This record gives sequence, structure tokens and C-alpha cells, in this order.
Amino acid sequence: EIVLTQSPGTLSLSPGERATLSCRASQSVSSTYLAWYQQKPGQAPRLLIYGTSSRATDIPDRFSGSGSGTDFTLTISRLEPEDFVVYYCQQYGSSPFTFGPGTKVDIK
Amino acid sequence: QVQLVQSGAEVKNPGASVKVSCKASGYTFTSYYMHWVRQAPGQGLEWMGIIYPGGGSTTYAQKFQGRVTMTRDTSTSTVYLEVSSLTSGDTAVYYCARTSGWYGYFDYWGQGTLVTVSS
Repeated sequence: EIVLTQSPGTLSLSPGERATLSCRASQSVSSTYLAWYQQKPGQAPRLLIYGTSSRATDIPDRFSGSGSGTDFTLTISRLEPEDFVVYYCQQYGSSPFTFGPGTKVDIK
Repeated sequence: QVQLVQSGAEVKNPGASVKVSCKASGYTFTSYYMHWVRQAPGQGLEWMGIIYPGGGSTTYAQKFQGRVTMTRDTSTSTVYLEVSSLTSGDTAVYYCARTSGWYGYFDYWGQGTLVTVSS
């Protein structure tokens, strides 16, 4: 089973700042099979990024993804008020399809 | 438009079973895969398994094997998750989520079903 670790657990920033979220895998993940999701309180997760760097439909271009091998990054270039929520990475190339524990972005 | 609509909240006693439904619309039901993911209160996301509505094949996460059953009804475009021998540790929101392939990203999610296990 591929274990995903996300850091930091909580990221405290101000609106307009840049957020950098990390996802590290216990073994190599093909870049084709790494996704990021956003989850707002009381809602289902929403797909942000798939295939490491492809934005899902209707996702603003302030969200971008990068990485390879065991290290992946989600970057939010300028935080908007609605971005202060929780983000999960997921690998879907090897069953079981595991998620990271999440990074909470909160307002500083 | 693609929609996944899940059944309502459930309260169950320890040792009981629960069956949650997920009705799909807006796409060809048998051409996509459906996963179940759960989230305990205040916790992260946990993948439970996958079903292919086109043929009914399933794969379950090892943790849930023997206690989880995923089925589908193609006449109503609905998938089902049944969990047996419930304990308080099964209290969670259960989500269905769609992928276009066995190895796919989860592009659409149901709204979630809260299952509470309590005596």
C-alpha cells in the first residue's frame, strides 16, 4: 500500500499570499496517477488537479500542481477567501487508492 | 449534467448492517466505475472499494473484505454499499465517487450519507 504524507498539517496564511502544499509518497507514483481535492466544511471533496498538473473543469488558474516520483506539490498563487479549507492528495495508480491526511489552510 | 444522489442518514445499533444507495444520472451508467470512500468525523478520506456497473466486478480494500458488499442495479442506475457487523468505528460519512477507468481520478462525488452507529 502506498502511504501519502502531507505537510504541513496546517498552513496559516493571509488572503493574497501564496500557498505551497506538499504530498510525499512512500514509493514512486506515476505522475499520471496523482490528484488533489479540495473539501469545504460539510461538503463532498471536489477534484482540483489530476495527472499531477492538469486542472479539472472550472478550476481557476491560481491552482497549479507539479512534481514527480515521490514528491508532489499543490500551489495556490494568490489565496482567495474561499480557499481557506482542507486539501487532500490521492494516488490512483495502485490499489488501494490512498489519500493523504490532508492540509488545512487557515487564515492568519 | 452528471449527478450522484445518495440515500439519507442512517442510525444503526452495533452489530447491525446498513445499506447505502447512490443513484447516478446524466451519463451512461455502465460506462464508468464507482468507488466508495468514507470519512469519520473530523478525519481524512478512506477508500473502501470499487464496482464496475457494466459487469458488476468489484474490488474491496483489504480492511473491509468480508464485511462490505458493493452491488449495482442497472435498471435504476444505482449502486449500493452494504456494511455488516457495524461498530462505533464505522460512524462516518460515506461517499460514492465516479471514475472513467479502474485507475481514474474521482471527477464527481455524491453528497455523502452519514451513518451513525450507536446503542
